[in-house]
Amino acid sequence: EPEVTQTPSHQVTQMGQEVILRCVPISNHLYFYWYRQILGQKVEFLVSFYNNEISEKSEIFDDQFSVERPDGSNFTLKIRSTKLEDSAMYFCASSEGLAGSSGNTIYFGEGSWLTVV
Amino acid sequence: AQKVTQAQTEISVVEKEDVTLDCVYETRDTTYYLFWYKQPPSGELVFLIRRNSFDEQNEISGRYSWNFQKSTSSFNFTITASQVVDSAVYFCALQTGANNLFFGTGTRLTVIP
Repeated sequence: EPEVTQTPSHQVTQMGQEVILRCVPISNHLYFYWYRQILGQKVEFLVSFYNNEISEKSEIFDDQFSVERPDGSNFTLKIRSTKLEDSAMYFCASSEGLAGSSGNTIYFGEGSWLTVV
Repeated sequence: AQKVTQAQTEISVVEKEDVTLDCVYETRDTTYYLFWYKQPPSGELVFLIRRNSFDEQNEISGRYSWNFQKSTSSFNFTITASQVVDSAVYFCALQTGANNLFFGTGTRLTVIP
């Protein structure tokens, strides 16, 4: 069964360092997302991406964050200068279609644990 | 504004008991989708079900069943004859005109052998 894959599964980084989290969405999906889950809390939307541009972003997704689809398969989340409060599980997700379409189920990857020290 | 409330933060049941996880949502949209995801201890989010706002039919999948009631804005999830492998955090989520999901705070289910 096709799945969203993420790397790394766990990364420890020093405060102020740049981090890139990588994702390979399901191959026929056109919509890509990043969500975040701080330990013990709910899953929060960060950003959605379609047709090589951001389609929506939350308040959390400030100038420290950026996303990119550098080639036909990868989708990355970059945090420019990490802060302690960026420590969380970051989930990549993808869907075939938009809300309201039959293919709008969002499938998640296994997550990347980011620990900022 | 959209909101999803899962009032039960933690539930413990003994194996083989039935358990219902509650989900109440708020939205002004007339078209929306409701989801349940399972997050086992390993951390991944596993899709369980999607239901659109025009389909109030209840659904059963094996030991899982879902009760969608628009009149009470609820989308409850029942596990019949629970098993230890059902132990996880379960999230209810709402999707409206925008494509992103609004998650509830989750219910941690512990099934005791």
